[in-house]
Amino acid sequence: DAGVIQSPRHEVTEMGQEVTLRCKPISGHNSLFWYRQTMMRGLELLIYFNNNVPIDDSGMPEDRFSAKMPNASFSTLKIQPSEPRDSAVYFCASAERARSYNEQFFGPGTRLTVL
Amino acid sequence: AQSVTQLGSHVSVSEGALVLLRCNYSSSVPPYLFWYVQYPNQGLQLLLKYTSAATLVKGINGFEAEFKKSETSFHLTKPSAHMSDAAEYFCAVITSGSQGNLIFGKGTKLSVKP
Repeated sequence: DAGVIQSPRHEVTEMGQEVTLRCKPISGHNSLFWYRQTMMRGLELLIYFNNNVPIDDSGMPEDRFSAKMPNASFSTLKIQPSEPRDSAVYFCASAERARSYNEQFFGPGTRLTVL
Repeated sequence: AQSVTQLGSHVSVSEGALVLLRCNYSSSVPPYLFWYVQYPNQGLQLLLKYTSAATLVKGINGFEAEFKKSETSFHLTKPSAHMSDAAEYFCAVITSGSQGNLIFGKGTKLSVKP
């Protein structure tokens, strides 16, 4: 089992550029979560999907952020245009189903630096 | 709305000493509670979870936590710290029926001194 796969692991970009983060959930999992982690705000849920459908995107900070899940094995989080305050570690997690007590498996994260 | 509070952003113990990381929750309905561990430059890994069965929950790496409804607490303990336990620990809550939306605490960084 490869676990949740995220790419790239590190991304350095300049303000105003478009950034795309990618996630491959664990095969068979039908819930996918995007989180952001910063020193100031800790871990924040940005958006989550059940069966490829976005259920709650209330954590997405601004319209500059968008997420898609075109199929069960792939999701993207896009920031356009990026700003320095978007610098953070972005985690993707997946779960077998959106039951309250099912374990979420986290990927290794993408460390984003916006200059 | 549900929330968790972790007391102490940084805890330091000596190797072999008791580890106690505190977590208090706020929820108007029975919660499900979790402890996750994050090693440097890695994602989060589940240590243990409480899902309304036994109030004393045992997890991986010798950790355990006790759910105390009267104190709205779910503190994490380990009898004897190892150097490899140095990491950041997160308490999280899901209100039953909320379709898996985890609410995380701010985290507690555990340091272990030789």
